[in-house]
Formats: sequence, C-alpha cells, structure tokens
Amino acid sequence: AQSVTQPDIHITVSEGASLELRCNYSYGATPYLFWYVQSPGQGLQLLLKYFSGDTLVQGIKGFEAEFKRSQSSFNLRKPSVHWSDAAEYFCAVAPPSGGSYIPTFGRGTSLIVHP
Amino acid sequence: KAGVTQTPRYLIKTRGQQVTLSCSPISGHRSVSWYQQTPGQGLQFLFEYFSETQRNKGNFPGRFSGRQFSNSRSEMNVSTLELGDSALYLCASSLETGGWLSYEQYFGPGTRLTVT
Repeated sequence: AQSVTQPDIHITVSEGASLELRCNYSYGATPYLFWYVQSPGQGLQLLLKYFSGDTLVQGIKGFEAEFKRSQSSFNLRKPSVHWSDAAEYFCAVAPPSGGSYIPTFGRGTSLIVHP
Repeated sequence: KAGVTQTPRYLIKTRGQQVTLSCSPISGHRSVSWYQQTPGQGLQFLFEYFSETQRNKGNFPGRFSGRQFSNSRSEMNVSTLELGDSALYLCASSLETGGWLSYEQYFGPGTRLTVT
C-alpha cells in the first residue's frame, strides 16, 4: 500500500527566510505527487503536482518541489517565506494508474512564521 | 459568486445515531468531493460525486454514503455513528471530476461533527 511521511510536525521560520518541507513516500512505482496547503479555517488548496517529466515542479504562490526518485522524496521549497504562508502543508501521493488518482495524505507539517 | 456552503457547521450526535451533512457547490460546478479530517487519522478522501454519480471512493466502510442531486448539491450520510467518526468533514467543488488534481477546487468551511 502507498504511504507518505512528513517527518516534521512543526517547522518555524522567520519571515524572509527560505523554507524546505520534507516528504517521503513509499510505493512500488513512482506515484503521482502533490502538495496542498490548508490555511487556518480554510480548506485545502493544491500548490503543485508532479506526474512525470521535469523533476523540479513550479507551483502557485512561489512554491516549488523537487522529485528525487533515489530518495523517494518530494520536498517543498520556497526561497523567501511571507507571514501569510503560515499554514498546514500536506504532501500526498496517488497511484499512477487506475484513473482515479485518489490521494493518500501525509499527516501534515505546520508552518509557523516569525516576524 | 457564492462559495461552497456546508450545513450545518457544527453538530453533536450520540453513538449509534445517523447524521446527514449537506454541501452546496459553487454555481456551475458539477463535482463534489468529501474529505474527513481527524487528529488521529489525518486527512482522508471519502468520495466524489459528479453529475449525480459516485465517481471515486476512498477506503471507508459502508456506513459512509452519499448522493448528489440534479442541482449538484450533495449530501453525505453516516449511519450507526461511532466515537471515531468525530471529525471535520470538508466538501469541495470543481467543474470537472477529479477536483483534487486541479488548482480550481474550492472548499467549504467544513462541518464539525462530534460524536458522544
């Protein structure tokens, strides 16, 4: 069965600093990979997705993620964090076949941004 | 244009009872997806309805069911409630099926269900 691990429950950064959130997955083949953000009191929003091709994926809100097959990782990065980025971030994986691509979510990483 | 609305926002039920939650999507959206969010299990996909048909289903027992009406409004029903069903239930709407793959999926505020 597929699974996804986000090793960091909380991450604290200063505004303007760079950010990297870790995500590791376990799956027999390369799954489809996603990052979502959930702001306080809000639902989920898709930040970016990887299906195939270029391993560096650009998303919305200035986020990017890099797929590393050898490490089974899909880490999320942002060069300069804004206070509005404080939120819960979820990595997700979905099977690369079957047509439904139903996601399995990680437990989330809470990002705290200090002024 | 109005966003996704969910009713009720808060609900308290007793074990063994059943509950029905409602979700009204953005006008013109035909897909409604449901998610369960709990501290213990995290975020999980429940199911998706598109044009009144269930298109995708997560790994939940048959106590969890849903339906979609011709106006795209969707209801989710949980029968024989258990304590572990206490959760925030989120619904989301999108134009096409597979909204979680899209940057254009919009979420409602959620229904907080507490089972005592």
